[in-house]
This record gives sequence, structure tokens and C-alpha cells, in this order.
Amino acid sequence: EDQVTQSPEALRLQEGESSSLNCSYTVSGLRGLFWYRQDPGKGPEFLFTLYSAGEEKEKERLKATLTKKESFLHITAPKPEDSATYLCAVRSNYGGSQGNLIFGKGTKLSVKP
Amino acid sequence: EAQVTQNPRYLITVTGKKLTVTCSQNMNHEYMSWYRQDPGLGLRQIYYSMNVEVTDKGDVPEGYKVSRKEKRNFPLILESPSPNQTSLYFCASSLSRGAAAKNIQYFGAGTRLSVL
Repeated sequence: EDQVTQSPEALRLQEGESSSLNCSYTVSGLRGLFWYRQDPGKGPEFLFTLYSAGEEKEKERLKATLTKKESFLHITAPKPEDSATYLCAVRSNYGGSQGNLIFGKGTKLSVKP
Repeated sequence: EAQVTQNPRYLITVTGKKLTVTCSQNMNHEYMSWYRQDPGLGLRQIYYSMNVEVTDKGDVPEGYKVSRKEKRNFPLILESPSPNQTSLYFCASSLSRGAAAKNIQYFGAGTRLSVL
């Protein structure tokens, strides 16, 4: 069965303090790994899709990387507006659920000025 | 503007009173899905639809119904709501269920439901 585990559950950073969020996954044949940002009380907002080990994508202060077992979301010199919950998901390759997204529980990031 | 629209955004109801949460997308997407989000449990899929008149159960379908009579609409129906269905609900849509690079799932703003 496909699984996604995110760590840490919560992360507090000072403004400018770079760090990384982890998403480890178990899937029988990766068909896409997705990163979303979710602000309180709002719907998840798409950030990145990664498909193969070694792939990297960047957007402003965020950089997503992918290996065969995990993905990292690197945040460089974060600002308070980067505070949000970051969700990782994989596209399932499991039986009748093939193609559906399986989400991790998220990492809640707080960036203090 | 491309979007997924849910209504209502907030809803307080009582046990047993049937309700419907509407979801509409304007992107001509084939695939639509409903999730619920609960603290400590993350996003869990309730039902999904691959196209008109094609729906299937997700991970937590008990107590819910859906229908897909038109491509743009995918309502979520709670025929007899119970307090354990108090949650934050999201509708999402994508081109299809395939692995194509453009096949991104877009989410609505959410519906916060309280069942008393």
C-alpha cells in the first residue's frame, strides 16, 4: 500500500534561518510527487511536481528535490509570509486507487521575524 | 479565472438533517474528488469521479454520497449527518487521473461543517 510520511510535524524558524522539510514515501512505481502549500482555513495551493529521482524544481525561496525514497523541500532565508502548512502527496499506483493522490499529514512551518 | 468553487464555505447543522455541499469547476476537468481534513489525520479522500456518471469510493466513503451528472459539478451529499462528520471539506479537480505533467489537482477554498 502506498504511504507518505512527512517530518517534522512542526518547524519553527527565525527569519533568514534556512532549513528543509522531509517527505518519505512508499509507492510501487512513482507516478508523480506533489508539494502543496496550505494557509489556515484555505485550500491547498500547488507548488511543485517531481517525477524522477534527481529532479529539482525551484520557486522563489523554495526548492524541491527528489530521491528514490524521499523528497525534500528546502527553504532558503525564509520570511514570515512563508509560514504555512506544507503538504506532500504521491500519485497512487495501487490497484483501484491508481491515479489518486495520497497525502502526508503535513509540516506546519512558522517563521518568526 | 480558473477555479474550483465550493458552497457554502461554512455550515452548522444538526444531526440527521440532510445537506448538500456543491462543487463546481470551470476548467473542463474530467477528474473530481472530495476530501475531508481533520487535525492529526491529514487529507483523506471520500469519493472521486473520473468523468460524468463515473464515481467511486475513496478511503472514507461511509455516510456520504456523490453524483456527477454534469462535467463541471460534483456535489457531496450527507443524507443523515452525524457529529463525527464535523470536518473541513475540500473539493478538487484535475484534467484526468493520469500521470501527465500538466495533470495537477486544484483545490477549492473549503467548507467548514459542524454537525451538532
